[in-house]
Amino acid sequence: GESVGLHLPTLSVQEGDNSIINCAYSNSASDYFIWYKQESGKGPQFIIDIRSNMDKRQGQRVTVLLNKTVKHLSLQIAATQPGDSAVYFCAENRASGTYKYIFGTGTRLKVLA
Amino acid sequence: NAGVTQTPKFQVLKTGQSMTLQCAQDMNHEYMSWYRQDPGMGLRLIHYSVGAGITDQGEVPNGYNVSRSTTEDFPLRLLSAAPSQTSVYFCASSRRRENTEAFFGQGTRLTVV
Repeated sequence: GESVGLHLPTLSVQEGDNSIINCAYSNSASDYFIWYKQESGKGPQFIIDIRSNMDKRQGQRVTVLLNKTVKHLSLQIAATQPGDSAVYFCAENRASGTYKYIFGTGTRLKVLA
Repeated sequence: NAGVTQTPKFQVLKTGQSMTLQCAQDMNHEYMSWYRQDPGMGLRLIHYSVGAGITDQGEVPNGYNVSRSTTEDFPLRLLSAAPSQTSVYFCASSRRRENTEAFFGQGTRLTVV
């Protein structure tokens, strides 16, 4: 069953297209950011991370962009596949050296066949 | 690798009952934490631990107790369950260094009636 509620923003993307999921963070002192993917009925799974001294980081089919000026983070997924359908969360570490990660509310990605 | 294991997966409690959610990890991670996930609110940190014998409060600690007697285990106790504690609970662990990903369990869906 669904582990995340009904009121999440939803992004619908055609299979094969690129997806861009956005996240605004609140603390300019946050120094580390992570994107997680959560499939229905499962726990969040790490996708990619980025430190505050970077603007961009690439992984396999995913790219994270960090704009510290406007406190904005984005996740780009290339050639979106049906298996990418999930809820995506960004998380920020607001205090360097601690384990207090603050999660965003999430975005649901729906991949249309 | 088992990773992070949570038990039970589902639980129904009556108001006022107590119970313990179990969490165990086999990765020798120092950091462990508990989150709750409610519709439209992302994951919120309840309690966390930076090592055996050391725990601290997160964003929403009221109504929950934790202890960390071993590196592997980090149980979450509800002393007197309330309907407001109906949620999905996730346990996570990570290595003891800055800026590192967390590994999550599969979650426990708790309903308090």
